[in-house]
Amino acid sequence: QVQLVQSGAEVKRPGSSLKVSCRTSGATFSTSSINWVRQAPGQGLEWMGSVIPRFGTGNYAKKFRDRVSMTTDESTSTIYMELRSLFFNDTAVYYCATRPGYDSAFDVWGPGTQVSVSA
Amino acid sequence: DIVMTQSPDSLAVSLGETATLNCKSSQSVLYSSNNKNYLAWYQQKPRQPPKLLIYWASTRESGVPDRFSGSGSGTDFTLTISSLQAEDVAVYYCQQYYSTPPGFGQGTKVEIK
Repeated sequence: QVQLVQSGAEVKRPGSSLKVSCRTSGATFSTSSINWVRQAPGQGLEWMGSVIPRFGTGNYAKKFRDRVSMTTDESTSTIYMELRSLFFNDTAVYYCATRPGYDSAFDVWGPGTQVSVSA
Repeated sequence: DIVMTQSPDSLAVSLGETATLNCKSSQSVLYSSNNKNYLAWYQQKPRQPPKLLIYWASTRESGVPDRFSGSGSGTDFTLTISSLQAEDVAVYYCQQYYSTPPGFGQGTKVEIK
């Protein structure tokens, strides 16, 4: 059974950077895409981008393209999402989710990482 | 980008009754070469991550109770919850995965009347 374990909650200052990790177990790490979805307080789900560990290159939503990076460490089956130049409205829960193939839905989700951006 | 719009925003249904949730996409998510609709439904309970309920518009994920059913094709889709149970109180999201970005609707909140 696939499981995703995410890093813990963080408090960040505006203008700083955030790096959230998502460790996978029980999955074919290299071939599933790992997607990042965030949810601001009381709001809906927003797709940020994805990465396929085998290829390593990210596919990012236009809104985040100039300040997000998604990288992988195959030795630990961990995916990282870095978001730079944080704003107050980046306060959200950040989820990673697996997508087994290009024509698949997001079948397994991590528990989420709460990020608060505060002065 | 394909825009997903759900209706209603919220819905109150008595226990044991049927809840009907709608989702409309701004363009078709039916892939003609395999006749599949690239449409999924997720359930999100408070303080939990979303959970995949339905994919290909009408295929239940393993372990999902059969009171949840999906229907529709092209641009118009429905999630039906038959015989609503207390544990079904949640927000439900539709998502298209036909094209990038794989966008979500704004959600429908289901409550008990």
